[in-house]
Amino acid sequence: DADVTQTPRNRITKTGKRIMLECSQTKGHDRMYWYRQDPGLGLRLIYYSFDVKDINKGEISDGYSVSRQAQAKFSLSLESAIPNQTALYFCATSDWDRETQYFGPGTRLLVL
Amino acid sequence: GIQVEQSPPDLILQEGANSTLRCNFSDSVNNLQWFHQNPWGQLINLFYIPSGTKQNGRLSATTVATERYSLLYISSSQTTDSGVYFCAVSNFGNEKLTFGTGTRLTIIP
Repeated sequence: DADVTQTPRNRITKTGKRIMLECSQTKGHDRMYWYRQDPGLGLRLIYYSFDVKDINKGEISDGYSVSRQAQAKFSLSLESAIPNQTALYFCATSDWDRETQYFGPGTRLLVL
Repeated sequence: GIQVEQSPPDLILQEGANSTLRCNFSDSVNNLQWFHQNPWGQLINLFYIPSGTKQNGRLSATTVATERYSLLYISSSQTTDSGVYFCAVSNFGNEKLTFGTGTRLTIIP
């Protein structure tokens, strides 16, 4: 089984809808991250969390919210989706030493 | 914030060729990672290398922290090496990785 899983893997939604992307990990890491990737660009950090009670904004948090339900689960929500949120979304984890980030398979989101 | 530039943006090579990918960064770093994104989108960590040299099979990486650059070497390229290679860094007091825009490598059989 994969160490970092994301659901759904693909999603099509309409403008104005609320959508949640979920991430689960079995690596036992405290640190979890949500990134977004747009065509031809690198990854940009949306939110990150160092433990269950810690949530931090990344460089592009506007229009997004997150919830850290447990050490192993970190969810990303789009409260009212808009077309420019169409992108590939990645969840990642790392241990306390931050030496290596491990990525989930990604969720392709299309907002019509 | 810290700036990360990767070159070249695109590279097309014949199978068996060697390649060198470069990552320049604008400030001192305490974390530098190289990733490979395969054609299906999966991101795999290749190296954690804030300084020094590491090797893993046909891949090796060198970071010269004092001159603010890192190099990723791929020898005897195979078609499975195709994809996008990303460099990501963070600097002291900043927990967040900043990614470059990547080098797209295409290996032709």
